[in-house]
Amino acid sequence: DVKVTQSSRYLVKRTGEKVFLECVQDMDHENMFWYRQDPGLGLRLIYFSYDVKMKEKGDIPEGYSVSREKKERFSLILESASTNQTSMYLCASNNQGRGLNSPLHFGNGTRLTVT
Amino acid sequence: ILNVEQSPQSLHVQEGDSTNFTCSFPSSNFYALHWYRWETAKSPEALFVMTLNGDEKKKGRISATLNTKEGYSYLYIKGSQPEDSATYLCAPHGSGNTGKLIFGQGTTLQVKP
Repeated sequence: DVKVTQSSRYLVKRTGEKVFLECVQDMDHENMFWYRQDPGLGLRLIYFSYDVKMKEKGDIPEGYSVSREKKERFSLILESASTNQTSMYLCASNNQGRGLNSPLHFGNGTRLTVT
Repeated sequence: ILNVEQSPQSLHVQEGDSTNFTCSFPSSNFYALHWYRWETAKSPEALFVMTLNGDEKKKGRISATLNTKEGYSYLYIKGSQPEDSATYLCAPHGSGNTGKLIFGQGTTLQVKP
């Protein structure tokens, strides 16, 4: 079974702090994604990556950056946390080799609160 | 693909009832449609990935159909059980949006014992 692990389940940070959310997958998947989920808005894509050192903006990249130095790890960085970044963050991965038919495998999520 | 509508937003049914939800999406530029189940305190879990018009997929008591020409998919649950309580998400994938699934807001199902 694919395992996608997010480093923290709950996180509380102060406004202005630099925040790192880590995600690791163990199935050698090429694609990795970061989403945030807010009530009434569904899952929105922040950034995704097709390969090591490769990144592409999703629909809401402002205020975020990402890092993919190793294939199994995809980090989401909040450069200067703000209260409107309080949200549930979900990491996911899938197998690019199977094309667009490949389902996403999600981590358990990190609930970030910025005070 | 910009607009993904799921209806209803929420649903309360009694154990044993059968139920269905709808996912609507623009039919142009369609490539694939994903369905996920998201239980509280767990991670979203893939149910189906559908690509062909008229496709029907089944997993236990849950099945889904796809109409790409008119831009909708139905998810059916036969004989709902309390463990089916979850949010059900659909995500169509357009051929012009490589790697990007656009998620609907979900339908939250509560099954009362």
